[in-house]
Amino acid sequence: AQSVTQPDIHITVSEGASLELRCNYSYGATPYLFWYVQSPGQGLQLLLKYFSGDTLVQGIKGFEAEFKRSQSSFNLRKPSVHWSDAAEYFCAVGASNTGNQFYFGTGTSLTVIP
Amino acid sequence: DSGVTQTPKHLITATGQRVTLRCSPRSGDLSVYWYQQSLDQGLQFLIQYYNGEERAKGNILERFSAQQFPDLHSELNLSSLELGDSALYFCASSVDVSTDTQYFGPGTRLTVL
Repeated sequence: AQSVTQPDIHITVSEGASLELRCNYSYGATPYLFWYVQSPGQGLQLLLKYFSGDTLVQGIKGFEAEFKRSQSSFNLRKPSVHWSDAAEYFCAVGASNTGNQFYFGTGTSLTVIP
Repeated sequence: DSGVTQTPKHLITATGQRVTLRCSPRSGDLSVYWYQQSLDQGLQFLIQYYNGEERAKGNILERFSAQQFPDLHSELNLSSLELGDSALYFCASSVDVSTDTQYFGPGTRLTVL
């Protein structure tokens, strides 16, 4: 069965520091992977997605993610975090064999300290 | 702004009542998805419609139902409401059903008292 694991429930980083949010997935076929961000009281905004091709994908707001098939991972990175990046981050896998149903991880809450 | 609209933004009701949440997908999107987000369950897929037809079902209770109309907007009906139904309900849309990016609306926050 498809599943997504985000091992870190909460992460705190200093402004200007680098960031890596972990995501591991379980899926029998080629996964379609996404990162979304949710600010308090807001909907989910797409940061980036991986369908195929280059395993390093660039997204909005300076984020990038790398797909590693051997590790079943799709970690999100940002070289220098800004205070406005404080939010909840969700990794998701799309399951093409079930009509594009998305499976979400439990989310990682990011706090940015000055 | 994703282009997906949801109404109402907030809804407060009592146990045992019935409510209807509405979603308008992005222009051109044929597929609509409903999700429930609660503190204890996280983001759970409820149901998907494509061009008016039910396409996939997730963890949707029998008390809940949905439909997609010819103009492609969708409604999620929640009945015999319980305290545990209090959650944020999101609608998302995509162009089609095959591994397409889903764009999320701002959500409807339902509070059951």
